Amino acid sequence: SQKIEQNSEALNIQEGKTATLTCNYTNYSPAYLQWYRQDPGRGPVFLLLIRENEKEKRKERLKVTFDTTLKQSLFHITASQPADSATYLCALRGGTYKYIFGTGTRLKVLA
Amino acid sequence: ETGVTQSPTHLIKTRGQQVTLRCSSQSGHNTVSWYQQALGQGPQFIFQYYREEENGRGNFPPRFSGLQFPNYSSELNVNALELDDSALYLCASSTGQGALGTDTQYFGPGTRLTVL
Repeated sequence: SQKIEQNSEALNIQEGKTATLTCNYTNYSPAYLQWYRQDPGRGPVFLLLIRENEKEKRKERLKVTFDTTLKQSLFHITASQPADSATYLCALRGGTYKYIFGTGTRLKVLA
Repeated sequence: ETGVTQSPTHLIKTRGQQVTLRCSSQSGHNTVSWYQQALGQGPQFIFQYYREEENGRGNFPPRFSGLQFPNYSSELNVNALELDDSALYLCASSTGQGALGTDTQYFGPGTRLTVL
């Protein structure tokens, strides 16, 4: 069956360090993959999109990689801050009009 | 803020009742998708509307239905509520529609539905 997996355990890191979150998928061949941030009780907010022919994408302190051979995307936050604490979701197209989201990884940046 | 609004913010219903949730999409967006998000889970796709037509549906029973209006606002209706329908219901609007679009979705704040 089609599946997206994110580390369901919370990730705690010290302020200033780099946080790395993983998104693995099976039985898909997505043309692109998206990352979202979600704060408690709020809707997800789009962060970055990376296409299948892009190895890496950057936006300020954020970096996303996409390895279609490994079927994996990595999401990095450099120089992390307590304000980066949130749940991060990866999502890809599971069909023509259907988006599939992972369960999300909760990140906590400790001051 | 994304410009997508949802109402109500919170709702409490009892099993067997019916509920209607509303969503106003961001200006210029003609596509609305609805998601159900249970606690600790990622959003689950319910369906998508484009120009007032449903054009994609997830694995949800027919008692989940929707509408999109000419101004692109949308409603989600759930009949015969069950306890497992308790969740955060999210709508997302976008400009793209079609397999090649990279339609970034802009989510509303959600409606928290509790079924007792």
